[in-house]
Amino acid sequence: AQTVTQSQPEMSVQEAETVTLSCTYDTSESDYYLFWYKQPPSRQMILVIRQEAYKQQNATENRFSVNFQKAAKSFSLKISDSQLGDAAMYFCACSARQLTFGSGTQLTVLP
Amino acid sequence: DTGVSQDPRHKITKRGQNVTFRCDPISEHNRLYWYRQTLGQGPEFLTYFQNEAQLEKSRLLSDRFSAERPKGSFSTLEIQRTEQGDSAMYLCASSPDVFQGGIADTQYFGPGTRLTVL
Repeated sequence: AQTVTQSQPEMSVQEAETVTLSCTYDTSESDYYLFWYKQPPSRQMILVIRQEAYKQQNATENRFSVNFQKAAKSFSLKISDSQLGDAAMYFCACSARQLTFGSGTQLTVLP
Repeated sequence: DTGVSQDPRHKITKRGQNVTFRCDPISEHNRLYWYRQTLGQGPEFLTYFQNEAQLEKSRLLSDRFSAERPKGSFSTLEIQRTEQGDSAMYLCASSPDVFQGGIADTQYFGPGTRLTVL
């Protein structure tokens, strides 16, 4: 069984600033992936970044990076130079055979 | 690569009616997943297919729900005798099977079918 917890229902950030979204997870699997997905209002789920659990190096994708702490089962997302288009619901997810999602963090970007 | 498509995008039905949704995965993705998402929540896993074989079903998938993937390509999700509690967004996703039956690689989502049961 897997659980994913996002303890920040809402976050806001000023345009061009940096924000960090938190996620903790629990899984009994030894091999798994971790993901952050973005879901803009009334639009489909889009992959932001993924992390293989066996890799120690933190994944980065342009302005998006993660802080993966395997022992602590923590997987936070940092968004640098925030843009208005980053406003969305962000979901953390853990994958063994199927994805288990957290409850999401609604990110607002203030101009 | 045209992405995952779902049809219809919206469905309004009356309680007790049957509904069927279709999902077309990314071509050559042999894994296909169905999720349900209610307002303000993360998606919840319903079931997944490896080619035409349905390998796992969630306890959320009551006996009123049935999913098929007859030729390992598109999939259908049918809900019989709909109830108001079935109102939700139904999401389909697909992924390649990189690890031959092991952990799932990145899943790519379709736009979803929003079901409203009156």
